[in-house]
Amino acid sequence: QVQLVESGGGVVQPGRSLRLSCAASGFTFSTYGMHWVRQAPGKGLEWVAVIWYDGTNKYYADPVKGRFTISRDNSKNTLYLQMNSLRAEDTAVYYCARDYIGYCGSTSCPPEYWGQGTPVTVSS
Amino acid sequence: QSALTQPASVSGSPGQSITISCTGTSSDIGGYNFVSWYQQHPGKAPKLMIYDVTNRPSGISNRFSGSKSGNTASLTISGLQAEDEADYYCSSYTSSNTLGVFGTGTKVTVL
Repeated sequence: QVQLVESGGGVVQPGRSLRLSCAASGFTFSTYGMHWVRQAPGKGLEWVAVIWYDGTNKYYADPVKGRFTISRDNSKNTLYLQMNSLRAEDTAVYYCARDYIGYCGSTSCPPEYWGQGTPVTVSS
Repeated sequence: QSALTQPASVSGSPGQSITISCTGTSSDIGGYNFVSWYQQHPGKAPKLMIYDVTNRPSGISNRFSGSKSGNTASLTISGLQAEDEADYYCSSYTSSNTLGVFGTGTKVTVL
């Protein structure tokens, strides 16, 4: 069965960095686009970044452009989110999620499978 | 990119049908058939219920159905059950941004 397990969250001071990982199993990782979506405490869902199945295209939400980098290692079945210059408003649970269909090659494909999320708290 | 607009809450009695609306613009809902709906129970990850406006992923009950008219999409839950009590989010592809956009979320209460 499809499993996505995030790790790397925690408490970090403003301006510092954090790298999230998402270990995937139960499917052919290299054939699916992957997403990072976050949810601030008591708030709604917000897309953070998307990467195509082959890593050729990456897209970011405006609030994180220039600070966050999404990447993937298809040989390790792992998705990453490098978060630099963190701000208080980045505090959220961060979910990794998989496209509902393989070889999508577009940001029109919604995520179907989600991990359990990893919490990130940015505070001094 | 502004979030899609959903009612904050909708309620219904067991067995009834309820409909949740999701209003966007011609740049998102009105322009594309890429509307999805997610169910989220407290402390849990979202669950895809509907994609491409009307399609249900494998394993999703046919009590859940989606539709669209103009710039507004809708999710209907028929035969409401206690386990349907959750938050629901719509989402759509948008030409205004390289990423999709989520709705503001609707809390469904089963009376």
